[in-house]
Amino acid sequence: EAGVVQSPRYKIIEKKQPVAFWCNPISGHNTLYWYLQNLGQGPELLIRYENEEAVDDSQLPKDRFSAERLKGVDSTLKIQPAELGDSAVYLCASSDPRGTGELFFGEGSRLTVL
Amino acid sequence: AQKVTQAQTEISVVEKEDVTLDCVYETRDTTYYLFWYKQPPSGELVFLIRRNSFDEQNEISGRYSWNFQKSTSSFNFTITASQVVDSAVYFCALSEANSGYALNFGKGTSLLVTP
Repeated sequence: EAGVVQSPRYKIIEKKQPVAFWCNPISGHNTLYWYLQNLGQGPELLIRYENEEAVDDSQLPKDRFSAERLKGVDSTLKIQPAELGDSAVYLCASSDPRGTGELFFGEGSRLTVL
Repeated sequence: AQKVTQAQTEISVVEKEDVTLDCVYETRDTTYYLFWYKQPPSGELVFLIRRNSFDEQNEISGRYSWNFQKSTSSFNFTITASQVVDSAVYFCALSEANSGYALNFGKGTSLLVTP
């Protein structure tokens, strides 16, 4: 069974440029999460989807960040415009609502803003 | 407020030593889960264990063991006879029913095992 797939793995952009990250969760996992991990810190939740509905986006900086999960499967996280402080790893995770609450994480997308 | 506290930022041990990573959590939910994840230098978060709030039995898996104590809101993780491959950052996390079971992570403990 394929795990959570994220792309790109690495992205380097200049400040004020836009950037987008893509996530394909494990098949059948209705719940999808985007987390932000700054260097030396634990991951912090940005947004949680149940199918195509964003049920918790309270930590998403909506002035520059947006996310979508149009068909309840793949998801895209966008930053526009990027700032220097956005340099971090963006992690996607999914979970099976019938399961034990375990989250399965992708390898992450490392963003560097110059 | 920080819901999961990992007071040890970095730990360094010599191979074959035992090491315990501390985790203290805070919640008002009666139904919650506690997790430990390992993050090796490659970056991917690897699931180690999940415990629910109704099961305080300690667990052992090979060289790993976990001690869950509700009375002290702690969920500590012990590695016995540590190995160099255990070097990683370890995260303790809490998920609560009232937040849709999204994981709330501690800041992590960086473990370095030297030969």
